[in-house]
Amino acid sequence: KAGVTQTPRYLIKTRGQQVTLSCSPISGHRSVSWYQQTPGQGLQFLFEYFSETQRNKGNFPGRFSGRQFSNSRSEMNVSTLELGDSALYLCASSLGVVGTVNGYTFGSGTRLTVV
Amino acid sequence: DAKTTQPPSMDCAEGRAANLPCNHSTISGNEYVYWYRQIHSQGPQYIIHGLKNNETNEMASLIITEDRKSSTLILPHATLRDTAVYYCIVRVHTGTASKLTFGTGTRLQVTL
Repeated sequence: KAGVTQTPRYLIKTRGQQVTLSCSPISGHRSVSWYQQTPGQGLQFLFEYFSETQRNKGNFPGRFSGRQFSNSRSEMNVSTLELGDSALYLCASSLGVVGTVNGYTFGSGTRLTVV
Repeated sequence: DAKTTQPPSMDCAEGRAANLPCNHSTISGNEYVYWYRQIHSQGPQYIIHGLKNNETNEMASLIITEDRKSSTLILPHATLRDTAVYYCIVRVHTGTASKLTFGTGTRLQVTL
């Protein structure tokens, strides 16, 4: 079965621009989480969506936002890009069922470079 | 989620067992131990998880001490492809807890 698909794989943007990243979860998975990975801060949780609703949020500024569609596909948006937003952005999907052990399957990520 | 402590790096000869320790002395009764690994420039990959019993799957074994304050991930016959950063994560799986808190992990280098 197909894995988690993230597009695009690589992206170069300039400061002040905005960017939208896309994630298609594994078929049947209803939860999509987003993570940012940088050399300095490591892997940090951004937010999680389940059934089109944000269920959990990390400590990131409001410039970082996301949404989930009825088919469980998710997008995250970063507005007014800063150099420090350069990172690998990872998406993880899971069944998302409360009360069960949920394994997370990660995509290969989108590498964003802000110049 | 409880904090975990892992050595920053380890080496292992190919074909030998790699034993990666993790300390989680503040773990509470409903928290599971998860292991993920991340091969360079890829997304993290789930390896195994456990609550209090030892677990084994096709990738690895997980040994959890009786007091649950520490655990060891065992790769029985390490290969060069097992070179990666290994993350030990402790978290609840019930309720709405839905995030993984990654520490700095252990960088495992498998050598010939």
